[in-house]
Amino acid sequence: EPEVTQTPSHQVTQMGQEVILRCVPISNHLYFYWYRQILGQKVEFLVSFYNNEISEKSEIFDDQFSVERPDGSNFTLKIRSTKLEDSAMYFCAIQGGPNEKLFFGSGTQLSVL
Amino acid sequence: GQNIDQPTEMTATEGAIVQINCTYQTSGFNGLFWYQQHAGEAPTFLSYNVLDGLEEKGRFSSFLSRSKGYSYLLLKELQMKDSASYLCATLTNSGYALNFGKGTSLLVTP
Repeated sequence: EPEVTQTPSHQVTQMGQEVILRCVPISNHLYFYWYRQILGQKVEFLVSFYNNEISEKSEIFDDQFSVERPDGSNFTLKIRSTKLEDSAMYFCAIQGGPNEKLFFGSGTQLSVL
Repeated sequence: GQNIDQPTEMTATEGAIVQINCTYQTSGFNGLFWYQQHAGEAPTFLSYNVLDGLEEKGRFSSFLSRSKGYSYLLLKELQMKDSASYLCATLTNSGYALNFGKGTSLLVTP
């Protein structure tokens, strides 16, 4: 199975601060995703990224969020001004093509204080 | 829109068989996935159904009825390590992203 590495595994930040979560897919998959899971709740889709642009996003993915793949390897999620309700586990996922299974990274636990 | 319903919790005995049901409503159907998620870990892929019928993979099988908007995951010869949350998911209309249900928390007891 393809490997997806996420850093950091845990991130603690103050409300209003910017955070950048990183994902490094060790494969040649073309489709990239960010999901989040608030403690005790379901896994929620945030955004999908293909061919260096956003292909789909959810209502959660507002102007505070942005994604990029600056160097062809790292895939990042930036939250510009964190809120308490942004505290969640954030998962990066990769996919080879449409209708194929997603492989998830181990996640970054974000805590906003 | 998309809506997925699963039971919140289930309990079963080691060695037994358990069936986890999932009903869904989507404006367009591109396939249904089952994922397993242990506490504090990432979801891992179990199965994918796009046509009606049963897909068997070792101890795990998944069934789909598109006309009924219904799927189930069947786990046989339950082991303690099968205690986890089981997530039913459908593809969004784009055919790429997954929309997850709230998951069914399965507890396997000795």
